[in-house]
Amino acid sequence: GAVVSQHPSWVICKSGTSVKIECRSLDFQATTMFWYRQFPKQSLMLMATSNEGSKATYEQGVEKDKFLINHASLTLSTLTVTSAHPEDSSFYICSASLLEGRSYNEQFFGPGTRLTVL
Amino acid sequence: TQLLEQSPQFLSIQEGENLTVYCNSSSVFSSLQWYRQEPGEGPVLLVTVVTGGEVKKLKRLTFQFGDARKDSSLHITAAQPGDTGLYLCAGDGTSYGKLTFGQGTILTVHP
Repeated sequence: GAVVSQHPSWVICKSGTSVKIECRSLDFQATTMFWYRQFPKQSLMLMATSNEGSKATYEQGVEKDKFLINHASLTLSTLTVTSAHPEDSSFYICSASLLEGRSYNEQFFGPGTRLTVL
Repeated sequence: TQLLEQSPQFLSIQEGENLTVYCNSSSVFSSLQWYRQEPGEGPVLLVTVVTGGEVKKLKRLTFQFGDARKDSSLHITAAQPGDTGLYLCAGDGTSYGKLTFGQGTILTVHP
């Protein structure tokens, strides 16, 4: 249980185009989903927190108009990188929070999406 | 702002050696998770510790949560090349659901 999928696993796009990344919790309903960015050999950097049916909460320094997040259901959140530029190239990872039946929060991560902007 | 200091940042050891990774904070966490991540993949949850003083064992891995719930350690006995990866600790603190991550420990176990 507690499986999270991400699609696509990798994407290469031209500068100026937009890219959409999907995050799905496959076998549970997620209270909250999170989007992270990770640079090589570094820890995860939280970009935003997403709750179903409400606006995402962005971390300081993350442009909400650049990184659009939509959380349409309890099992699906999407991250759209708009007008992507080479500096947006990175490894993007989502996680889903499993709370039902638990007294503490645990996050389960997707396999990540490697974005390369040419 | 909560901080979680993880050390060491890099660890390169020979197969069969023991090692310990530490995570320390001045803040109290309601729970703390340990993850392992391989290159090009997402982090995989190893364990969650919740109670102060708790010790959990997962085969050769031993996880401890400090009595005050401000620190944690991961001890690996007789490390194997398959243990190679990035180890991350993450604490659940005041912002419910939002984890504070340590800087990560890159472990390399040489055969």
